[in-house]
Order: sequence, then structure tokens, then C-alpha cells
Amino acid sequence: GAVVSQHPSRVICKSGTSVKIECRSLDFQATTMFWYRQFPKQSLMLMATSNEGSKATYEQGVEKDKFLINHASLTLSTLTVTSAHPEDSSFYICSATSLASGGSLAKNIQYFGAGTRLSVL
Amino acid sequence: AQTVTQSQPEMSVQEAETVTLSCTYDTSESDYYLFWYKQPPSRQMILVIRQEAYKQQNATENRFSVNFQKAAKSFSLKISDSQLGDAAMYFCAYRSVREFYFGSGTKLNVKP
Repeated sequence: GAVVSQHPSRVICKSGTSVKIECRSLDFQATTMFWYRQFPKQSLMLMATSNEGSKATYEQGVEKDKFLINHASLTLSTLTVTSAHPEDSSFYICSATSLASGGSLAKNIQYFGAGTRLSVL
Repeated sequence: AQTVTQSQPEMSVQEAETVTLSCTYDTSESDYYLFWYKQPPSRQMILVIRQEAYKQQNATENRFSVNFQKAAKSFSLKISDSQLGDAAMYFCAYRSVREFYFGSGTKLNVKP
């Protein structure tokens, strides 16, 4: 299947700093990328959906100014956690999908990155 | 609201035996897809199997098969001939054009 690379896999930072996480589709063009947050022993919570060249769509309760998402190209989306605080510590996962010709978004498989564990001290 | 429910937080199966993981969902949509994802200790999400709602035939991928009951909004995963490598968290997921939901997950233990 398609490969999605997520970097870094682990980051530790001080409170108040910003952290950028990259999500790259290596062998396909990702028209849409998703960012999730996963708390320990819990399910994935969708944070936002980003389409290449347009503003991300955030889920209810997710702070847009806190979690900045950029999807500047068909192979790269970034999530920046601004002014990180200990409560932002979590596992962040991205996924990518592409629209098949003539297909609807629902039909396309999401390929997941390996995740980023963020620890804010 | 659309939801996905996995009522079994944890299950155990003996190696080589068969286990079934349950999933129910709620939707008013007619066009949607259902998925089972596996998340091993590495945390990498892996697609196990998917089902298109408009198809009556149950999807099958080698040892993995689903029992899709559209009217009952049920989508269970059957793992046959369980292997030690099957041990992981399994998430049921629902996806339509507008929404994508994961269930809370079922931790599967495989006993040698």
C-alpha cells in the first residue's frame, strides 16, 4: 500500500515553545490529509481535515490558533502546536488519502503515518 | 449524531482459534464505508479490511472477514486461525463523505 511518513516520531519540548510535525505522502499525491490526536488507551480523535491549497477544516472544540495546519503541496501537510503546554502532550497521527478519479472521498482508503509522541515539560 | 460503538474493551483468544470483534454504528446516510483498523504496540495504524455499504457481500481478506448487517447497523470482524501477531488494538471506523468516526477500540490478546 501507499506510504505516509510522519516526522518526528518523538519530540520533547519545554512549555511555551512551538513544535512542528510533518506528514508526507511518499508515493502518491494526497489531496486530503487528516490529523488525529490519541490519548493513552483511547481512540483516535479527528482534529482537522486539510485539503491541498485551502484552509483546514477543524473539528468542534479544536483551537485553530493552537493547532496550525498547512497543506501547501500534494505531498506535505504540517501541524504546528503553538505555545505548547503540558496538556498538549499526546500522540498525534496523520493520515492521507487521494481522490480516485470520479470517486467520492468516502471511497478512498486513508493511509496512516506512524505517529508523533509529543511530551511537553 | 453518528457514532461507532465497540462494546468489548478487551478480548482474548487462543492461538489458532477464531475470535469475533463487535462493532455497531449509527447513521442516517446511505452511502458510507466501514473499516477495521489494527494498531499494534508500534502505534502504526494498519487497514485490515473495509466494507462498502452498498455491497451486500461480506468483505474477506485472508483470515479476516466481516459480518455486515446493514439493517442492524452491525459490522463485526472475525479473525480465523488467530496468530500471535494479531495481538493489537482493533478500531472499527465509519466514513461518509462528510464524516469519519472511530470506535473506542478493542484490545485483542492472543494466548500461545
